[in-house]
Amino acid sequence: NAGVMQNPRHLVRRRGQEARLRCSPVKGHSHVYWYRQLPEEGLKFMVYLQKENIIDESGMPKERFSAEFPKEGPSILRIQQVVRGDSAAYFCASRGQSNQPQHFGDGTRLSIL
Amino acid sequence: DQQVKQNSPSLSVQEGRISILNCDYTNSMFDYFLWYKKYPAEGPTFLISISSIKDKNEDGRFTVFLNKSAKHLSLHIVPSQPGDSAVYFCAAFTGTASKLTFGTGTRLQVTL
Repeated sequence: NAGVMQNPRHLVRRRGQEARLRCSPVKGHSHVYWYRQLPEEGLKFMVYLQKENIIDESGMPKERFSAEFPKEGPSILRIQQVVRGDSAAYFCASRGQSNQPQHFGDGTRLSIL
Repeated sequence: DQQVKQNSPSLSVQEGRISILNCDYTNSMFDYFLWYKKYPAEGPTFLISISSIKDKNEDGRFTVFLNKSAKHLSLHIVPSQPGDSAVYFCAAFTGTASKLTFGTGTRLQVTL
């Protein structure tokens, strides 16, 4: 899907564990977005990052969730002390210049036992 | 608060006919509208977009129409093909906040 790579594709965690989701944007893209999709729903915005900066985190839960996009390496979405309600598909998207469309990865499907 | 709405969860169209997918929005600040197509177990794929200053944009078999006064847009696919069977999401964003706001999707089934 347009070069955005997400891993792992599937992740299973027990309640209370930590989940780390990785996203490598399209080469040359410096804008990264994370979205969450619950079953039978649309994608919901979580966080928007540029290199080393969080631009908009208005969609992030206040606790347990954090995101980073370091100078080197992929963007990471981290969920601490996971609960059953965190089970969802998490999608990363990246874009280049302003107003260019966002390109999505194939997502990480997180299942909480 | 559902700012982007797709009121038809599903649509079935015969191959070769026109598919029309609809989307309504409530936020008059949206500057751009996009349509994405999604297959199971894959991420959304960008199809076509339209700026709020236009009322039509065409790309091959896909045309998007925007009616700003009605806060309504539609995606026309002509002719429909079996490979078009997927879930279609309408999305929008403002120029100052580039996060996408998605509708809940419409599942299109193109039958032979």
